[in-house]
Amino acid sequence: AQTVTQSQPEMSVQEAETVTLSCTYDTSESNYYLFWYKQPPSRQMILVIRQEAYKQQNATENRFSVNFQKAAKSFSLKISDSQLGDTAMYFCAFMKQGRGYSTLTFGKGTMLLVSP
Amino acid sequence: DTGVSQDPRHKITKRGQNVTFRCDPISEHNRLYWYRQTLGQGPEFLTYFQNEAQLEKSRLLSDRFSAERPKGSFSTLEIQRTEQGDSAMYLCATLNLAVLNEQFFGPGTRLTVL
Repeated sequence: AQTVTQSQPEMSVQEAETVTLSCTYDTSESNYYLFWYKQPPSRQMILVIRQEAYKQQNATENRFSVNFQKAAKSFSLKISDSQLGDTAMYFCAFMKQGRGYSTLTFGKGTMLLVSP
Repeated sequence: DTGVSQDPRHKITKRGQNVTFRCDPISEHNRLYWYRQTLGQGPEFLTYFQNEAQLEKSRLLSDRFSAERPKGSFSTLEIQRTEQGDSAMYLCATLNLAVLNEQFFGPGTRLTVL
């Protein structure tokens, strides 16, 4: 079974600054996907960024980038130029690769508060 | 709106009552998932369907829970004889097998059992 650990229950950052959210995972699988999802207060969860484990290059999506360290089983999210709209719960999630697999395993989340 | 929709958004019920939630997927999304999210936790997998077939059920899904997807489109999740421990957000997510690795989530149904 896979486990996902987010060790930071809450983080705070000021607008325009950079923040990094941590995630570690445990698996015996060699092929998998990793995700960061964002859940704003009272709004639905949306995908922020994804990483395929077979790719060495770290994924980036505009102000969001990841630091994927496969050997260390670490998958952190960096948010640059933080905006007020980034205030949300952020979940790290794991999914085994393969057509028969698509269930997500989530961490407990990190609440990010962006202040003016 | 072409996203995943869920109904109702909120449900308050008394212990022992039955409740049913509905999820309408994005069209052409053949996989549909149910997750449960309790306060301060990440979502936990309950069950999923590929078209109308229920392919996997979590150990979290007690025999009081039943899910259906009769025509491979919308899905229902029923909880019989609700207990206070069933209070949670119930999330539905759907996926297109042609784009395997992204699940789209609905807004959730928040259940409060008094």
